Amino acid sequence: DAGVTQSPTHLIKTRGQQVTLRCSPKSGHDTVSWYQQALGQGPQFIFQYYEEEERQRGNFPDRFSGHQFPNYSSELNVNALLLGDSALYLCASSFVDQPQHFGDGTRLSIL
Amino acid sequence: KQEVTQIPAALSVPEGENLVLNCSFTDSAIYNLQWFRQDPGKGLTSLLLIQSSQREQTSGRLNASLDKSSGRSTLYIAASQPGDSATYLCAVSPGDYKLSFGAGTTVTVRA
Repeated sequence: DAGVTQSPTHLIKTRGQQVTLRCSPKSGHDTVSWYQQALGQGPQFIFQYYEEEERQRGNFPDRFSGHQFPNYSSELNVNALLLGDSALYLCASSFVDQPQHFGDGTRLSIL
Repeated sequence: KQEVTQIPAALSVPEGENLVLNCSFTDSAIYNLQWFRQDPGKGLTSLLLIQSSQREQTSGRLNASLDKSSGRSTLYIAASQPGDSATYLCAVSPGDYKLSFGAGTTVTVRA
């Protein structure tokens, strides 16, 4: 039973570019959450998707947007990349109010 | 706004010693609290989840306590092993789907 899978594992971009990160939830899960983890910090909640709608959003600018597809997979898009966007981006999936399961993340580096 | 603090930030112990990791949170209106393990460059693995109505949870050598009224949780790891070396993160949920994390305690167990 595959867990949460994220792609790509690593990504290098330059300032001003746009990036799309992808997440496939664990089988049977219908909810996807995204977190940003800067080096040496705990993860910060970006937003959560359920039934293809953004259910809740953390304190992140509109440059961060997302989407959930009918098969429950999800994308995180970041526009106009800044150096401060360099981080590990974690996807977590869950079913109803059960505990979230995390993927191994995408390491994004901005030059 | 929920603030989660973990002390100490880093800990180094000889193999066999018991570990005590502390977590405090400012808003006691939580739905549950989780302890996670994170290996370098990897995602999060859930270790223990304590519901707000519970006082403690145990799994093998791990025991976590929760004092919701004082906003504190403690993770105990008995008879530490080099394989326990990792960063341990505490996260609380108010029941509104998102997790609020501490910055973690990085543990090194010396052989």
